Amino acid sequence: RKEVEQDPGPFNVPEGATVAFNCTYSNSASQSFFWYRQDCRKEPKLLMSVYSSGNEDGRFTAQLNRASQYISLLIRDSKLSDSATYLCVVNKGGSYIPTFGRGTSLIVHP
Amino acid sequence: GAVVSQHPSWVICKSGTSVKIECRSLDFQATTMFWYRQFPKQSLMLMATSNEGSKATYEQGVEKDKFLINHASLTLSTLTVTSAHPEDSSFYICSASPMELPEETQYFGPGTRLLVL
Repeated sequence: RKEVEQDPGPFNVPEGATVAFNCTYSNSASQSFFWYRQDCRKEPKLLMSVYSSGNEDGRFTAQLNRASQYISLLIRDSKLSDSATYLCVVNKGGSYIPTFGRGTSLIVHP
Repeated sequence: GAVVSQHPSWVICKSGTSVKIECRSLDFQATTMFWYRQFPKQSLMLMATSNEGSKATYEQGVEKDKFLINHASLTLSTLTVTSAHPEDSSFYICSASPMELPEETQYFGPGTRLLVL
């Protein structure tokens, strides 16, 4: 089993739709979780950290489920500019060494 | 916000040459910098963790003699791809962690695209 797994997609949704991505991780000792956004041929940019209590930033909501070892990202009211690859990042248990998922591609169309 | 630069942004070289990539934190000091490689449609793969003033820690499968890392100051780390071959062609990205923030906070450079002919 890979350390961090994501459905590569692509998720093809119309503007205004709500879309959700999941990411599973294998190391139960992992403590830190993040979602990054990567545009084509660019570097990743931090979208949000994921806390045990979940967190929300505008149209974006991130959740952590430790029992099932997955994190999720929900995007409401999708915009064309949300089209990108969303990377799940999990730090190895007991360290700050990050492991990146392969990314989930989102395409928002008019 | 914190800014990380990389130079060069593009490199095209002949097989057998060595290529040096610089990663600089422009407005903060970083004791730790990370080097990643990303092949098309693949995830970022951590190559090594670079610590200022000490030897880099390489991930399993990454040849330390092939990918030389030097972290000479709190704002600069360099990655040298020695005797580059076509299979080394990739997108190399660095990230830096500000000293005053938790080490899990990383800011990424814009990346360097390497094409070895």
